[in-house]
Amino acid sequence: GEDVEQSLFLSVREGDSSVINCTYTDSSSTYLYWYKQEPGAGLQLLTYIFSNMDMKQDQRLTVLLNKKDKHLSLRIADTQTGDSAIYFCAEKVLDNYGQNFVFGPGTRLSVLP
Amino acid sequence: EAQVTQNPRYLITVTGKKLTVTCSQNMNHEYMSWYRQDPGLGLRQIYYSMNVEVTDKGDVPEGYKVSRKEKRNFPLILESPSPNQTSLYFCASSQGELGYGYTFGSGTRLTVV
Repeated sequence: GEDVEQSLFLSVREGDSSVINCTYTDSSSTYLYWYKQEPGAGLQLLTYIFSNMDMKQDQRLTVLLNKKDKHLSLRIADTQTGDSAIYFCAEKVLDNYGQNFVFGPGTRLSVLP
Repeated sequence: EAQVTQNPRYLITVTGKKLTVTCSQNMNHEYMSWYRQDPGLGLRQIYYSMNVEVTDKGDVPEGYKVSRKEKRNFPLILESPSPNQTSLYFCASSQGELGYGYTFGSGTRLTVV
């Protein structure tokens, strides 16, 4: 079955870059996503990448995809205290009923002053 | 404003007392889903719906029911809640086409005593 894994915690200093990693198992993934969950809030879509792309950049966010190794990463440049949140990796997979989403467990990013 | 609305935000109930958590989206999305979020377990899918009158079980459907009588609404029903259903619940919707991620509701924190 599908599985998405992430490390659960990451701490960085304000101003440094953060790199959050994710691995997935389903080779039928069409799109891969990064969501951000701030305390007490729902999940907010940050960015996504199509499975035939290697990289996508959006302001401070850079997504890298290694399809051969099924590895996805999110780099946040110049990390700020407002970036402290849980970050979820998710893949969109094809199943018997069409398309469905599989989420990782989330990485809690703590930004230290 | 395009959004997914869940109600209530917070609910404390007793074991065995039937309850319904409502979910409504105003984006004409075909795809809707319910997740529960528990510490260390990330998001686990309860049920999802591809369209009106089309629903299917996710990873943890036991103890839950859903219905999709109209496109905008996807209520989650707990016929006889138990303490192990104490969790944070999220409803989400998606257009269902390639590239579209989920839009999430703000969450419902349910406590069953």
